[in-house]
Amino acid sequence: KNQVEQSPQSLIILEGKNCTLQCNYTVSPFSNLRWYKQDTGRGPVSLTIMTFSENTKSNGRYTATLDADTKQSSLHITASQLSDSASYICVVSARGSTLGRLYFGRGTQLTVWP
Amino acid sequence: NAGVTQTPKFQVLKTGQSMTLQCAQDMNHEYMSWYRQDPGMGLRLIHYSVGAGITDQGEVPNGYNVSRSTTEDFPLRLLSAAPSQTSVYFCASSYVLGGDNTGELFFGEGSRLTVL
Repeated sequence: KNQVEQSPQSLIILEGKNCTLQCNYTVSPFSNLRWYKQDTGRGPVSLTIMTFSENTKSNGRYTATLDADTKQSSLHITASQLSDSASYICVVSARGSTLGRLYFGRGTQLTVWP
Repeated sequence: NAGVTQTPKFQVLKTGQSMTLQCAQDMNHEYMSWYRQDPGMGLRLIHYSVGAGITDQGEVPNGYNVSRSTTEDFPLRLLSAAPSQTSVYFCASSYVLGGDNTGELFFGEGSRLTVL
């Protein structure tokens, strides 16, 4: 069964600290993996998209890694800011499917305290 | 840049009432979709469309209808609302880029629906 599991479910860190969010998936055959940021009351916004051949991708203070062999991805946030407080969603797409076959994780709720 | 626009942002319905959630995009995207988001659950696909005149069911289509008469618009209809349809609904759109579908998915701001 194609699934996407994220951990931790929630995380609290102090402003300025780094953190890493995890995503494990069983989606096969794998096509690409996306990380989205969703602020409270807003729609998700794309952070990164990684295909099979990419193992690292950065977007400012956000760095995503992908290990397609172990089917794991991580999102590392450097020097956190209060505005990083949000839900971070991992999404995996299966090869050969339309965008109707995106598998969503339940998200990690990150809270950054001053 | 308007992007993906959803209306209304909030709606309260009584059981059995019908309504339409509107979604419009101005990016000339072929792909449009509707998701629902419930507490503690990931986004779940309701219906999607890969072009005008073409729609298909997603993971949770029961109780919802869609149509795609133009590239820009993709309304979601609730024919007879039920309390189980209380949720936040998101419309999303994208170009469909190649077989690996790496097109970036743009979401609207959501429509919060409560069914009493």
